[in-house]
Amino acid sequence: DADVTQTPRNRITKTGKRIMLECSQTKGHDRMYWYRQDPGLGLRLIYYSFDVKDINKGEISDGYSVSRQAQAKFSLSLESAIPNQTALYFCATSGGEGLDEQFFGPGTRLTVL
Amino acid sequence: DQQVKQNSPSLSVQEGRISILNCDYTNSMFDYFLWYKKYPAEGPTFLISISSIKDKNEDGRFTVFLNKSAKHLSLHIVPSQPGDSAVYFCAAKASGSARQLTFGSGTQLTVLP
Repeated sequence: DADVTQTPRNRITKTGKRIMLECSQTKGHDRMYWYRQDPGLGLRLIYYSFDVKDINKGEISDGYSVSRQAQAKFSLSLESAIPNQTALYFCATSGGEGLDEQFFGPGTRLTVL
Repeated sequence: DQQVKQNSPSLSVQEGRISILNCDYTNSMFDYFLWYKKYPAEGPTFLISISSIKDKNEDGRFTVFLNKSAKHLSLHIVPSQPGDSAVYFCAAKASGSARQLTFGSGTQLTVLP
């Protein structure tokens, strides 16, 4: 079983709709991250959380919100989706001081029409 | 302004030969560097890392070289195999940062049989 899972894997929605992407991990890591990948831009950090009570904005947080429901769960919401939020979204985890390696989920491909 | 740059979007190499993927950075506070590999429809997976106190780190067929004065690192794969065909991302972390990684835009490596 995968250590980091994301649901859904693919989603097509319309402009203005509210969308939630979910991430679960079984690695027992405290730290969780949401990234988006766009062609030619690599991965850009949207939000990150170091524990259940901690939420931090990343490089491109506008238009997004997150919820850390438990150590193992971190959700990303698009309150009112717009076409330029069409991208590949990745959740990642990391654990422990000095451990910078992040473990990624398989990604969610989101298309906003 | 991208702080981590991978200027070659793609690279093709013959099987058995050396693959050299390059990465440049601009932030002198970066002190830890990682390479990730990504196959289609999967999340990135950690490949190899290097701390700024070293100039070389080797793991099997993979070697990362760091030139701090030039703010340049490279990933060498020897010998290249068709299974190495993937997108390779360079990532960096700044000293004192909250474990945030800054990613490059990626290089698509194709190893030809």
